[in-house]
Amino acid sequence: QKEVEQDPGPLSVPEGAIVSLNCTYSNSAFQYFMWYRQYSRKGPELLMYTYSSGNKEDGRFTAQVDKSSKYISLFIRDSQPSDSATYLCAMGGHSGGSNYKLTFGKGTLLTVNP
Amino acid sequence: GAVVSQHPSWVICKSGTSVKIECRSLDFQATTMFWYRQFPKQSLMLMATSNEGSKATYEQGVEKDKFLINHASLTLSTLTVTSAHPEDSSFYICSAVPGPDTQYFGPGTRLTVL
Repeated sequence: QKEVEQDPGPLSVPEGAIVSLNCTYSNSAFQYFMWYRQYSRKGPELLMYTYSSGNKEDGRFTAQVDKSSKYISLFIRDSQPSDSATYLCAMGGHSGGSNYKLTFGKGTLLTVNP
Repeated sequence: GAVVSQHPSWVICKSGTSVKIECRSLDFQATTMFWYRQFPKQSLMLMATSNEGSKATYEQGVEKDKFLINHASLTLSTLTVTSAHPEDSSFYICSAVPGPDTQYFGPGTRLTVL
């Protein structure tokens, strides 16, 4: 079983739809959770990060973490064509000393159609 | 804030030559930077961890003599691909760590080896 599982899609939705992106993980040592957005041929851009279980909202984006189920989600409300990109979940934790490494999901390719 | 730059953004070179890629954190200091490689439609593959003032730590399977990493200051890390071959053609992305909880990515460098 891989440490982080993410459905690669592709996912295609009409403009204005609510999008749900998900990742599951197996390593209970993960302590912080991130979502990155990556446009084609660009570096990933940090969208959301959170430490604890629960919801965190930023504009049209909501990140949800359920540590008991080892499951994280990113919701996009009122999706726009400009949201079309690959979305990567990422997780990190500390094991003994400092450890800044992140473990990434494979990414989900999202297309929002006008 | 948290801007990371890479230079060059795109480089084409002949087989057998060496190419240097720079990664700079523009508005923060980063004792740790990471170098990733990404093939089309695939997720990020961590190559090495670059620590300021010490030797880089390479992931399993990454040739340290081929991918030379230097982290000479708190804002600059370089990756040199030595004796590049066509199979080294890829998208190289760096990230910098301002703190223990996340990474900020550069825009990436596309390397094409002819």
